[in-house]
Amino acid sequence: AQSVTQPDIHITVSEGASLELRCNYSYGATPYLFWYVQSPGQGLQLLLKYFSGDTLVQGIKGFEAEFKRSQSSFNLRKPSVHWSDAAEYFCAVATGGGADGLTFGKGTHLIIQP
Amino acid sequence: NAGVTQTPKFQVLKTGQSMTLQCAQDMNHEYMSWYRQDPGMGLRLIHYSVGAGITDQGEVPNGYNVSRSTTEDFPLRLLSAAPSQTSVYFCASSYSEVRYEQYFGPGTRLTVT
Repeated sequence: AQSVTQPDIHITVSEGASLELRCNYSYGATPYLFWYVQSPGQGLQLLLKYFSGDTLVQGIKGFEAEFKRSQSSFNLRKPSVHWSDAAEYFCAVATGGGADGLTFGKGTHLIIQP
Repeated sequence: NAGVTQTPKFQVLKTGQSMTLQCAQDMNHEYMSWYRQDPGMGLRLIHYSVGAGITDQGEVPNGYNVSRSTTEDFPLRLLSAAPSQTSVYFCASSYSEVRYEQYFGPGTRLTVT
């Protein structure tokens, strides 16, 4: 079965600084990869996705992620964070073909310092 | 479009009580699913449906029932609530062709005492 690891439970970044959130997956083939964001008290919003092709994908709100097959990683990046980026971020994988939904990581809580 | 709607937003139950969490979507999505979110656990799939009349179990189905009589609605039933079911529940939907591009509802926070 596939699994997703987000090694950082909490990350604190100063406003205006760059951000990288880590995500590693375990699966025999190339899965479909996603990043979701959850603001406090809200549902999840899809930031970006990778199915195939270009390994650097652009998403909403200025986020991007890079798929690295050799490292089984799909790290999320943003060059300059804003206070409104403070939220919980979830990496998720789906293995295609089956109907068994998404497997989520446990999330990374992003704190923005003024 | 209202997207994915969930009711109620908050609910407190006593152990042994039953209730139904409602989920509806107006995007004509074939695929719908229920997740629970617990602190430090991420989201875990409870049940899913690929279309009206078809449901299947996810990772943590015990204690929950679902049915899908229409494309729009996918209710989640707790037959006999237990404290271990205290959680935030999210419903999600998507088109079958892009099954994993799921749209999430705002969630229902359930407390079982």
